[in-house]
Amino acid sequence: GDSVTQMEGPVTLSEEAFLTINCTYTATGYPSLFWYVQYPGEGLQLLLKATKADDKGSNKGFEATYRKETTSFHLEKGSVQVSDSAVYFCALSENSGYSTLTFGKGTMLLVSP
Amino acid sequence: GAGVSQSPRYKVAKRGQDVALRCDPISGHVSLFWYQQALGQGPEFLTYFQNEAQLDKSGLPSDRFFAERPEGSVSTLKIQRTQQEDSAVYLCASSPEGGRGYTFGSGTRLTVV
Repeated sequence: GDSVTQMEGPVTLSEEAFLTINCTYTATGYPSLFWYVQYPGEGLQLLLKATKADDKGSNKGFEATYRKETTSFHLEKGSVQVSDSAVYFCALSENSGYSTLTFGKGTMLLVSP
Repeated sequence: GAGVSQSPRYKVAKRGQDVALRCDPISGHVSLFWYQQALGQGPEFLTYFQNEAQLDKSGLPSDRFFAERPEGSVSTLKIQRTQQEDSAVYLCASSPEGGRGYTFGSGTRLTVV
């Protein structure tokens, strides 16, 4: 079955540091890939997505590139802010039917001033 | 409404008690999903509705879990004879079509004591 593996946290960074959160996946088909963010006390919010190989999703300074050859979708940001502190989830959905999401376990990011 | 609304936000149940969790999706959204998020884990799919039809309930962990959406809008997830392992955040999401463009609610945190 489908699965998503992402690096364990917490990831602790100082403000303006470079961020990478690794994500790799296993899928039977050709999935779409997503990063969701969950701020404390809030629901999951879509951060960015990519639907085919070599696509780059980007939003709010975050980027991730769909790498089919390495089955990866690593999240990056050049300069993190305290307000980026949250839990980040990598997810995939098969591009057929009603597309349920398969999530990784999540990575907590803590950014200090 | 403007977003997906879930109630209650928090629920404490004694072991063996029945609980009902409510989800109000975005008006007009055809698709509705329930996910279960255990502490420190990513969300896991429970069930999917298209309008009032429950098309997939493969993720429901046992026959104590039951979901309905009788008029194709509000949905209720019911858990009978709750057990400690049912403690989790239950997330609802809706989408205007086939799973594309999910909007998640803030979830109901269920604690079984």
